[in-house]
Amino acid sequence: DTAVSQTPKYLVTQMGNDKSIKCEQNLGHDTMYWYKQDSKKFLKIMFSYNNKELIINETVPNRFSPKSPDKAHLNLHINSLELGDSAVYFCASSQSGTWNNEQFFGPGTRLTVL
Amino acid sequence: AQSVTQLDSHVSVSEGTPVLLRCNYSSSYSPSLFWYVQHPNKGLQLLLKYTSAATLVKGINGFEAEFKKSETSFHLTKPSAHMSDAAEYFCVVSDRGGGSARQLTFGSGTQLTVLP
Repeated sequence: DTAVSQTPKYLVTQMGNDKSIKCEQNLGHDTMYWYKQDSKKFLKIMFSYNNKELIINETVPNRFSPKSPDKAHLNLHINSLELGDSAVYFCASSQSGTWNNEQFFGPGTRLTVL
Repeated sequence: AQSVTQLDSHVSVSEGTPVLLRCNYSSSYSPSLFWYVQHPNKGLQLLLKYTSAATLVKGINGFEAEFKKSETSFHLTKPSAHMSDAAEYFCVVSDRGGGSARQLTFGSGTQLTVLP
């Protein structure tokens, strides 16, 4: 069974559209994350979220918003898509409580904005 | 504040020869350090992690890394490269600072090419 899954795997859309990427984990973890990987493979944290706390990277535009219907899901909603949003987006999860826990990553969603 | 520097953006080795991927870190606290691997069009997979126990850490697929506090380094090595090792490798640091949800800081990655 897939531990962290994302849908869709590929997403091609026009500028100005609104889109969502879904993420689910079946590991029982209480913390989930969204990362953006640019064309140079650089990975940057966008959000981390558990039941108590949402931490937002201050460089993330407010067009991006995480939505968590329950502990196993953290979806990423993007409004008014721009060309610069094209990237691969990775979801991850971990168990909080200790600061050195491994994060488990999903397979990624490749977003292309035309 | 924490940061990580991967000293080589590309490394090429011949199959069967040793691999060395270099990583230096900066951290305000005692850090945890990780190496992740990303194969083409795949997600990231943990190779190994250092969490203040033994300084020489063994991971999957024959990889290991040594934490050297005096040099602030955490270089990844493997005695003999295999074709399947060709991938992007990320050095990652996490320290005690920050909120309750721990955040990782990634290096810029090293692309490993294995030549036949």
